[in-house]
Amino acid sequence: KAGVTQTPRYLIKTRGQQVTLSCSPISGHRSVSWYQQTPGQGLQFLFEYFSETQRNKGNFPGRFSGRQFSNSRSEMNVSTLELGDSALYLCASSLVEGYTEAFFGQGTRLTVV
Amino acid sequence: GDSVTQMEGPVTLSEEAFLTINCTYTATGYPSLFWYVQYPGEGLQLLLKATKADDKGSNKGFEATYRKETTSFHLEKGSVQVSDSAVYFCALSAIQGAQKLVFGQGTRLTINP
Repeated sequence: KAGVTQTPRYLIKTRGQQVTLSCSPISGHRSVSWYQQTPGQGLQFLFEYFSETQRNKGNFPGRFSGRQFSNSRSEMNVSTLELGDSALYLCASSLVEGYTEAFFGQGTRLTVV
Repeated sequence: GDSVTQMEGPVTLSEEAFLTINCTYTATGYPSLFWYVQYPGEGLQLLLKATKADDKGSNKGFEATYRKETTSFHLEKGSVQVSDSAVYFCALSAIQGAQKLVFGQGTRLTINP
């Protein structure tokens, strides 16, 4: 079956702009979570959505937001981009049954200039 | 808060050598523990997992045992191959029914032929 699909794979934006990243989970998966990966901070949890509701949120400013649609696809948005937002953004999907494993996409590489 | 500490990298070994990557954790309750692997330019792939104390996760020759008394989940492989070269992440999930992973900093492994 198809894996987690993230689009686009690469993005270059200018400081102050906003950006929207998309994630399509594995068919049948209802939970989508987002992570930011940077060389300095490593992998950090952004938020998790399940059945269109945000269930958990990491320690990121309000400029980072997300949503989930009825087909479980998810988008995350970053407004007023800063240079420090340059990172690999990873999306993961899971069935959410107890401690389920997460399946990750290849990520979107965002560069802010 | 919850945290994961991995041994500092990078780690360089010769083919067929024995591998150990140390991982210790701090968490309330009884977390699930995971090892993920990231190949260059790719997202994360689940390598193995353990959901309760004394469980042993194994896959592709890799093993890790959930040790509650030492709060550890060390990754081992008896004979590494060049194709095992990647970055390895230890992670925990402490919230039952939720997908919020806390990752270690990652350990870059290079295997020389």
